[in-house]
This record gives sequence, C-alpha cells and structure tokens, in this order.
Amino acid sequence: GAVVSQHPSRVICKSGTSVKIECRSLDFQATTMFWYRQFPKQSLMLMATSNEGSKATYEQGVEKDKFLINHASLTLSTLTVTSAHPEDSSFYICSARDQRRDNTEAFFGQGTRLTVV
Amino acid sequence: SQQGEEDPQALSIQEGENATMNCSYKTSINNLQWYRQNSGRGLVHLILIRSNEREKHSGRLRVTLDTSKKSSSLLITASRAADTASYFCATSQAGTALIFGKGTTLSVSS
Repeated sequence: GAVVSQHPSRVICKSGTSVKIECRSLDFQATTMFWYRQFPKQSLMLMATSNEGSKATYEQGVEKDKFLINHASLTLSTLTVTSAHPEDSSFYICSARDQRRDNTEAFFGQGTRLTVV
Repeated sequence: SQQGEEDPQALSIQEGENATMNCSYKTSINNLQWYRQNSGRGLVHLILIRSNEREKHSGRLRVTLDTSKKSSSLLITASRAADTASYFCATSQAGTALIFGKGTTLSVSS
C-alpha cells in the first residue's frame, strides 16, 4: 500500500523559534496534501490544503503567516510553524492521496508531536 | 470545520461484547472512512465505504452507510482489550480533504 512518511515524529522547541515538519509520499505522486492539527482528546482539524506548485488553501481561523506551507514537488510538502508559542503545542499530521486512485483511502503520516516550551 | 458527529462520545464494554459506534454527517459524500487512533499515536485506516454501498465487512468490523439519513455505523464484534482506542469517521467529496467527526473513545476491559 501507499506510504506517507512524516518527519520528525517528535520535536521540542523553545518559544519564538520555528519548526519545520516534512511530509513525503514515498511511492506515489500527490498533487494535493492535507495538514491537520489535533489537540489532546480532540479530533483532527483540517488546517490547510497544500497544492503542488501553488499557494496553499487555509481553513478559516488558521493563520497563513504562522503556518507556512510549501509543496515544491509532487512528493514533498512542508509545514513550518513560525515563532512557535506554547499554544501551538499539538499533534500535527499530514495526509496525501494517490491522484491515480480517486475515491480510495487517504494515507496519513505518522504525525509530529510538537511541544513548545 | 467538522463534518460528522459520532455517538456515543465514550463507550465502555467488556471483552467479548460487541461495540457499536454511530456517525452522522451533513453534506453529500463520495465515501466515508473509519479510522482508529491509539492514544497519542497516528491513525490506522479501518475501512472505506463508498456512497453507493450500503454495507461492508472486514474481519470483525461491519460498517453500514445510509446516505438518505446521512449516517454510518461501525460494529466491532467480539471486542478485545486491544480494541481500546479512539474511533473516527471521516467523509470526503471527490478530491477534497477528509473531514473528521469528533470521535468515540472505546474502552474494552478484560
């Protein structure tokens, strides 16, 4: 089955610094990837849709200048949390779909647990 | 945004019993998927049911879909302690992101 790799799985950073999270589709091309955030004991909330070669589409309430998304190739999307603060501590998870196989399952990365201290 | 509502929010059962979780959604869909998440871990895909399907089975899992009521159910038969996890339904339209429900936390005690 298709695999999506997300890195790092866990990161601790100081308040005010930036953190980059990578999401790679390993054996398929993904023109579109999705980024989600999950706070403790809550569900996954869609943050943004990452489009290869164009700007990301952000959900309402998500600051595009704070959560920078770059989708420079068909297999890699990155999410950079800029000037991180403790309230940004969360579980971030990416998802990608195999564009050749519509109406099939979405594949998820392993997630990144971000702790801002 | 969240599409679905699961109920119950929490479910506690004994090993060997069946667990049923329900999910309702609001808009038209291409498919509905169920995922499991162990505490603090990533998602595990369980089953996908397309909008033109009514029922699907996979091992101890049985999923139903009623598009007229915009609802789905997940049945886990003969539950085990290892089934303890959070379960989410997620819906999508063609080419769009999955939108997750709030989830059901299942606890199976031995």
